[in-house]
Amino acid sequence: SQQGEEDPQALSIQEGENATMNCSYKTSINNLQWYRQNSGRGLVHLILIRSNEREKHSGRLRVTLDTSKKSSSLLITASRAADTASYFCATDALPGANNLFFGTGTRLTVIP
Amino acid sequence: DAGITQSPRHKVTETGTPVTLRCHQTENHRYMYWYRQDPGHGLRLIHYSYGVKDTDKGEVSDGYSVSRSKTEDFLLTLESATSSQTSVYFCAIRHTAGTAAETQYFGPGTRLLVL
Repeated sequence: SQQGEEDPQALSIQEGENATMNCSYKTSINNLQWYRQNSGRGLVHLILIRSNEREKHSGRLRVTLDTSKKSSSLLITASRAADTASYFCATDALPGANNLFFGTGTRLTVIP
Repeated sequence: DAGITQSPRHKVTETGTPVTLRCHQTENHRYMYWYRQDPGHGLRLIHYSYGVKDTDKGEVSDGYSVSRSKTEDFLLTLESATSSQTSVYFCAIRHTAGTAAETQYFGPGTRLLVL
């Protein structure tokens, strides 16, 4: 399976701290995406990084990608209680693929 | 939210009964997906569709069938529900043009309990 794995499975931090979560995957990819899921809701797309990119920013989010190690990290800076959610990485195969493979997720709790 | 609705939102059924879940979209997207989400497994793809009457299997398709007779509706059927199919089911669509072409947009989910 190409499914990725996030690390850690759960993370608890104080409001204002930074949160870092990692994703490892198994095969070559075209791009890697991060999604967020609030409790009881569907997933929401956060950011996409292509295989030829090493770092990408969007607001308080910073994503890095290391294709040689088949890994990515998501950094959320200056966390807020509203960032409490589960975060998933998702990968696709090489160009032309129609499907995404999701990791098992990191549950982030931000304590006010 | 890409105009995606799922029905029903919650369902309790008994082992051996047929169950059909509906995903409806209002924006004419070509690609539609059905996933299941279980603790420790993340989201796993069941089936997907790339057009009317065009479907393909995903990672965990055994025990499930799908149909797409109209662009806006993608149906997931459990022919004879089993307790192992207790899960939360998500429908998703994918844009096929522009900068959002590779991202997926998810419905609110259907929580299914098979007793």
